Amino acid sequence: NAGVTQTPKFRVLKTGQSMTLLCAQDMNHEYMYWYRQDPGMGLRLIHYSVGEGTTAKGEVPDGYNVSRLKKQNFLLGLESAAPSQTSVYFCASSYLAGGPSGELFFGEGSRLTVL
Amino acid sequence: AQSVAQPEDQVNVAEGNPLTVKCTYSVSGNPYLFWYVQYPNRGLQFLLKYITGDNLVKGSYGFEAEFNKSQTSFHLKKPSALVSDSALYFCAVRDSTGRRALTFGSGTRLQVQP
Repeated sequence: NAGVTQTPKFRVLKTGQSMTLLCAQDMNHEYMYWYRQDPGMGLRLIHYSVGEGTTAKGEVPDGYNVSRLKKQNFLLGLESAAPSQTSVYFCASSYLAGGPSGELFFGEGSRLTVL
Repeated sequence: AQSVAQPEDQVNVAEGNPLTVKCTYSVSGNPYLFWYVQYPNRGLQFLLKYITGDNLVKGSYGFEAEFNKSQTSFHLKKPSALVSDSALYFCAVRDSTGRRALTFGSGTRLQVQP
């Protein structure tokens, strides 16, 4: 049971470079989310999607773009990386049928360092 | 706007003693409340949730949480701590309309000493 898989797990970028984080889930979940985790700040929502072809902004969307072309995949892009985007990124998914009471299922995280 | 506060950055307890990790929340309407645990270099794992009904919720690994509406709190508890409980714990809230995504607290590191 793969659950939620994130690639890559580690990446080092130089300022101004671009990259894409891939999240894949095999649970047929409708909702998918990207969070970033920074020390002392918990998890903050970057973008989320309530279904294939839809995306919405979260709490800290600036500097990031997302796409959900397939139900099972949710991509997070950094067009021009900045040191402030050094963080651990987590993807999560949840059932539509679970409604607002449904819990999230998380990937193991992607550690990004921007020099 | 919905928010969560975890007032303690770290909680230290001795193995075998009871533990409490505190959480207070702010949300419009009725809250859906969650606790997650994160072990080193891993993603978050669901522990338990409060939706409605009994104010005492039981979850995984012997953890439980008490919902207190008047104090807007949802403290995590365990009667007897284990060294293996040492981890980072997050409280989270969502309003019952489901329009907002889950909002997380800043996390509390639990350290259980042998």
